[in-house]
Amino acid sequence: QVQLVQSGAEVKKPGASVKVSCKASGYTFSSYTMHWVRQAPGQRLEWMGWIKAGDGDTKYSQKFQGRVTITRDTSAITAYMELSSLRSEDTAVYYCARSLLGEPWYDYWGQGTLVTVSS
Amino acid sequence: DIQMTQSPSTLSASVGDRVTITCRASQGIDNWLAWYQQKPGKAPKLLIYKASSLESGVPSRFSGSGSGTEFTLTISSLQPDDFATYYCQQFNSYFGGGTKVEIK
Repeated sequence: QVQLVQSGAEVKKPGASVKVSCKASGYTFSSYTMHWVRQAPGQRLEWMGWIKAGDGDTKYSQKFQGRVTITRDTSAITAYMELSSLRSEDTAVYYCARSLLGEPWYDYWGQGTLVTVSS
Repeated sequence: DIQMTQSPSTLSASVGDRVTITCRASQGIDNWLAWYQQKPGKAPKLLIYKASSLESGVPSRFSGSGSGTEFTLTISSLQPDDFATYYCQQFNSYFGGGTKVEIK
């Protein structure tokens, strides 16, 4: 069965960086795009960017351009999202979610990773 | 950017009620719209894609319709498991603000 398992909760200080991992199993990793979506407390879902797991091509939301980097390791069947220059407003649950190449909807999601930014 | 507006933001209903949630796009998006259900502390779950296609395993009481700028998600007979927050999402991955379905 398809599973996306994310790394555990993180607490970071303002200005630091965080890297969240998402390990995939149960499907052909390279045939899908992996997205990262975050949700601040009480807020709507917010798309951050994606990576095509096959060729590593990436696209980022303009809001996060320059601060977010999405990578993948095909041998580890894992995608990563790194967010730098953290501020308190980045406190949120971060999700990975997959979509079939060329389709914009997410059929499987990770369990979410809470990132707390606090001094 | 194409903005997505959902209404209502909160909806109070009883088990067995027919429930309709609306999502409006600021520009036409053809049928490139999905609906998700999210329960507290859980990841969203895909219900409907391409505006009206039911995701595998999703109960048939859920249905979607619309194209262009106006879309609806309908739950034909609300069940206890359906009390949750529902989000629409357009093709550029932007989400609506959510509709919380509460027990009346």
